[in-house]
Amino acid sequence: AAGVIQSPRHLIKEKRETATLKCYPIPRHDTVYWYQQGPGQDPQFLISFYEKMQSDKGSIPDRFSAQQFSDYHSELNMSSLELGDSALYFCASSPPGNEQFFGPGTRLTVL
Amino acid sequence: AQSVAQPEDQVNVAEGNPLTVKCTYSVSGNPYLFWYVQYPNRGLQFLLKYITGDNLVKGSYGFEAEFNKSQTSFHLKKPSALVSDSALYFCAVATSGTYKYIFGTGTRLKVLA
Repeated sequence: AAGVIQSPRHLIKEKRETATLKCYPIPRHDTVYWYQQGPGQDPQFLISFYEKMQSDKGSIPDRFSAQQFSDYHSELNMSSLELGDSALYFCASSPPGNEQFFGPGTRLTVL
Repeated sequence: AQSVAQPEDQVNVAEGNPLTVKCTYSVSGNPYLFWYVQYPNRGLQFLLKYITGDNLVKGSYGFEAEFNKSQTSFHLKKPSALVSDSALYFCAVATSGTYKYIFGTGTRLKVLA
């Protein structure tokens, strides 16, 4: 069965650089969620999109932005990267009101 | 505000013994409750959910959980633990209208051979 695809799987950036993370949801899932999981921590909700519109916003820094495109894939853009942004970034997708299916994550390391 | 508590950072159990991983929640409104498992450097895998209906929910890999409204709990259980069950387990809550997850802090399950 198709799963959520995230790219890249690993990313290394310098401080103050920018990064773009991509997420391809499971076909026919119209909702996409982004989470950040710091080392040894639980995932923290960042932002979600339903039918290409932002549906909810969590603890997402102003330096970050995201969007969902017409083909339902989503991108998380991160600018002015800081050391504290190093984390595992998960994308999840779901049909309305159902459990979320998580991608394998993108491990971002900021040096 | 919604919150989830997993009071145990780690649970150790012998292979073949029953296991319980605890979760309590606090929400306004009806809760949607979920359990996920995370293996090292992997994404979260869905185990089971409670939305409505029977309080005992059966999920993947022989896991089950019981929704207890009076105790606001949703403990994860398995009758006979396997070494391969050793992983990090997260409880999550959502409510209708906003389906974003609030996760607990996770419980590391270690099954000893």
